[in-house]
Amino acid sequence: SAVISQKPSRDICQRGTSLTIQCQVDSQVTMMFWYRQQPGQSLTLIATANQGSEATYESGFVIDKFPISRPNLTFSTLTVSNMSPEDSSIYLCSVSRDSNTEAFFGQGTRLTVV
Amino acid sequence: SQELEQSPQSLIVQEGKNLTINCTSSKTLYGLYWYKQKYGEGLIFLMMLQKGGEEKSHEKITAKLDEKKQQSSLHITASQPSHAGIYLCGAPGRAGANNLFFGTGTRLTVIP
Repeated sequence: SAVISQKPSRDICQRGTSLTIQCQVDSQVTMMFWYRQQPGQSLTLIATANQGSEATYESGFVIDKFPISRPNLTFSTLTVSNMSPEDSSIYLCSVSRDSNTEAFFGQGTRLTVV
Repeated sequence: SQELEQSPQSLIVQEGKNLTINCTSSKTLYGLYWYKQKYGEGLIFLMMLQKGGEEKSHEKITAKLDEKKQQSSLHITASQPSHAGIYLCGAPGRAGANNLFFGTGTRLTVIP
């Protein structure tokens, strides 16, 4: 398995501000993903973080709102920009070493926007 | 996009009882992942099933994949309070992918 560290674990932010969430893995992984879990809901995939190129976003998510970086094979960031209360969710990072292998998750970042 | 329906949505069982959670897909399954989530926390990986008919067990949890029925089941034997949580199934949208679409979740409560 992979050890995944997400920071911060939680935050309360003012609307209109931005928050950057970090995801650090203890070993190199091919794939990294970002998910959102809104209150009482299941997980929704935001994007695939591609190393050395732009992230691939799912329908309904755009780069201006959720810019993602992936400078190497062990680290990625997700920024939630110009936040509104609707962005209050748990944001989770997921990693896989390769295709058709297990997908592991970080502990999540609980974001509350006031 | 992939849609996964889980049943039941919630389940309350007495400690020691067996239980089954189902996950049904609207499309072809290219594999199926099971996770457990405690309230407000990350997902704990339980099992990954890749082939039709595959069955895996870990401690008291067994999962099966029926590709023809586009369905998977998770069975817990002799449930314990430590089994309580939200169980989520996830499936790749295409063969070889690791980005997952998730089911609606099943909240399990085990009464001591």
